[in-house]
Amino acid sequence: KQEVTQIPAALSVPEGENLVLNCSFTDSAIYNLQWFRQDPGKGLTSLLLIQSSQREQTSGRLNASLDKSSGRSTLYIAASQPGDSATYLCAVRRAAGNKLTFGGGTRVLVKP
Amino acid sequence: GAVVSQHPSRVICKSGTSVKIECRSLDFQATTMFWYRQFPKQSLMLMATSNEGSKATYEQGVEKDKFLINHASLTLSTLTVTSAHPEDSSFYICSAYAQGNSGNTIYFGEGSWLTVV
Repeated sequence: KQEVTQIPAALSVPEGENLVLNCSFTDSAIYNLQWFRQDPGKGLTSLLLIQSSQREQTSGRLNASLDKSSGRSTLYIAASQPGDSATYLCAVRRAAGNKLTFGGGTRVLVKP
Repeated sequence: GAVVSQHPSRVICKSGTSVKIECRSLDFQATTMFWYRQFPKQSLMLMATSNEGSKATYEQGVEKDKFLINHASLTLSTLTVTSAHPEDSSFYICSAYAQGNSGNTIYFGEGSWLTVV
């Protein structure tokens, strides 16, 4: 059974500092891995999706890496802003069209 | 782009009553939809996979007679919480896959807050 773990569970940084969020999964047989952002009381917004054959994806200040063999992914957010405060979730998919297995999330607070 | 809509966004119901939550794919057809539940400060837990025209597949520990799922069309899945109790109060989110140029992309609804009093 796939298990996804995110460390740390919570993170507080001053504005401008870079953020590093970690995600690990137990079964390396994944189809892809996805990072989401969730604001309090809201749904999920997809940030980055990394296919199993890829090693990283970038979008603006966000960069996500994937090391499938070691079961790890890292989300980097450069030059953090107060607007980046949210919960960040990673999720893995075993096969196309299959369900997502989520990690517990990392709650991020960026202080002005 | 593809959008998944949930309704209602917030609902309060009395203990013992039933409440229905709708999940619609607005501009694409979804043969499969997924229902998740999220308790405060916790992650999303998959409840069931909703399949158009057939029975839903429930995750272990989820009571299928309590959480009724109907996927009657390619754009609509409904979750009915029957005989609701205060412990059913939670955030319920649905998702669906849309086929695109880069393969399957998953979209999430905005979620529905259920409060049972």
